[in-house]
Amino acid sequence: AQKITQTQPGMFVQEKEAVTLDCTYDTSDPSYGLFWYKQPSSGEMIFLIYQGSYDQQNATEGRYSLNFQKARKSANLVISASQLGDSAMYFCAMREIMEYGNKLVFGAGTILRVKS
Amino acid sequence: DGGITQSPKYLFRKEGQNVTLSCEQNLNHDAMYWYRQDPGQGLRLIYYSQIVNDFQKGDIAEGYSVSREKKESFPLTVTSAQKNPTAFYLCASSTPGDSKRNGYTFGSGTRLTVV
Repeated sequence: AQKITQTQPGMFVQEKEAVTLDCTYDTSDPSYGLFWYKQPSSGEMIFLIYQGSYDQQNATEGRYSLNFQKARKSANLVISASQLGDSAMYFCAMREIMEYGNKLVFGAGTILRVKS
Repeated sequence: DGGITQSPKYLFRKEGQNVTLSCEQNLNHDAMYWYRQDPGQGLRLIYYSQIVNDFQKGDIAEGYSVSREKKESFPLTVTSAQKNPTAFYLCASSTPGDSKRNGYTFGSGTRLTVV
């Protein structure tokens, strides 16, 4: 079974600074996908960024980038120029292929607080 | 705009009662999912359905039941057999063409509390 580990329960960052949220994963599948989601206090899950295991370059989406180190099995999220609105829970997830379809396996999450 | 609608947003259940959480999507997605979220934990899969009239148990299906009679609807029933149902429940959907990048589309969730 696949596993996602997020070792930082909570993080603080000063507004306008960059922050890295850690994520390590464990899988024996050669083909996999990694996702980051943001969950504000309202509870909705907002898709941020995706990295495929065969992608040659690290994924970027605006202020979000994914530091993908395949040999280390890590997929850290980097948020540049933090904003107050970035305060939320962040989840790393991996797509797992099942007998019938696929599912996302989630880490425990990291709470990010941006300070003004 | 297309999306997933979950209702109600807040739900209170008495001990021993069954309650049903609604999930409707107008995205024409084939697959639908129910996840449970507890404080300090990530999301755990309860049930999923890849096509109409078919569904599979996820990691924590005990005490829950689902149906998939229509493509756009995937209601979740929390039965009295679920001993600790207080949690945040998220419904999601996906389709093969989208799942490579965007993974799932999520609803806004239902917060269930046992009183």
